Amino acid sequence: RKEVEQDPGPFNVPEGATVAFNCTYSNSASQSFFWYRQDCRKEPKLLMSVYSSGNEDGRFTAQLNRASQYISLLIRDSKLSDSATYLCVVGGSQGNLIFGKGTKLSVKP
Amino acid sequence: NAGVTQTPKFRILKIGQSMTLQCTQDMNHNYMYWYRQDPGMGLKLIYYSVGAGITDKGEVPNGYNVSRSTTEDFPLRLELAAPSQTSVYFCASSYTGQGNTEAFFGQGTRLTVV
Repeated sequence: RKEVEQDPGPFNVPEGATVAFNCTYSNSASQSFFWYRQDCRKEPKLLMSVYSSGNEDGRFTAQLNRASQYISLLIRDSKLSDSATYLCVVGGSQGNLIFGKGTKLSVKP
Repeated sequence: NAGVTQTPKFRILKIGQSMTLQCTQDMNHNYMYWYRQDPGMGLKLIYYSVGAGITDKGEVPNGYNVSRSTTEDFPLRLELAAPSQTSVYFCASSYTGQGNTEAFFGQGTRLTVV
């Protein structure tokens, strides 16, 4: 099992749609989880941290399932500006951060 | 509030030339990372460092060298540039104590080897 695994997509959705991304991780001892967003030809930027109890930031909801070792990101009411690549990030056993390869989202009018 | 600063932003190298990509952070982060990203692909970890004087290989270290003499700086050295090293290079830093904080990225260096 890869350390952090994501569906590469692309996910092509119409404006206003709800889209969900999932990510699985292999290290059951991981304590830190994040979702990043990367726009084309730009550096990745933090979208939100993922907490054990789940957390929401506007149209974005992140959830953690430790038993199944997966993280999810839900985007409601998709906007054109949500088009980007979404990266799942997990704390590694060496104290480092491990990035997934990303899932590309394209929101169409 | 500079964060992570990378220089240069763009560079064209000839095959066989050498160069150093500079990276500095002012957040007192202990972890620093170098990634490369090829067009349409994900990030690949080249090297990372857990603190001054300590570095570790990542997924794709061949053809690169790093050093970490201070907490702030983590330069990446290409000794004999090859066309396969044409890519966008990102430096990042984070803090690991009781847990991990988020990673902050530099704006990237776009390198072309011809």
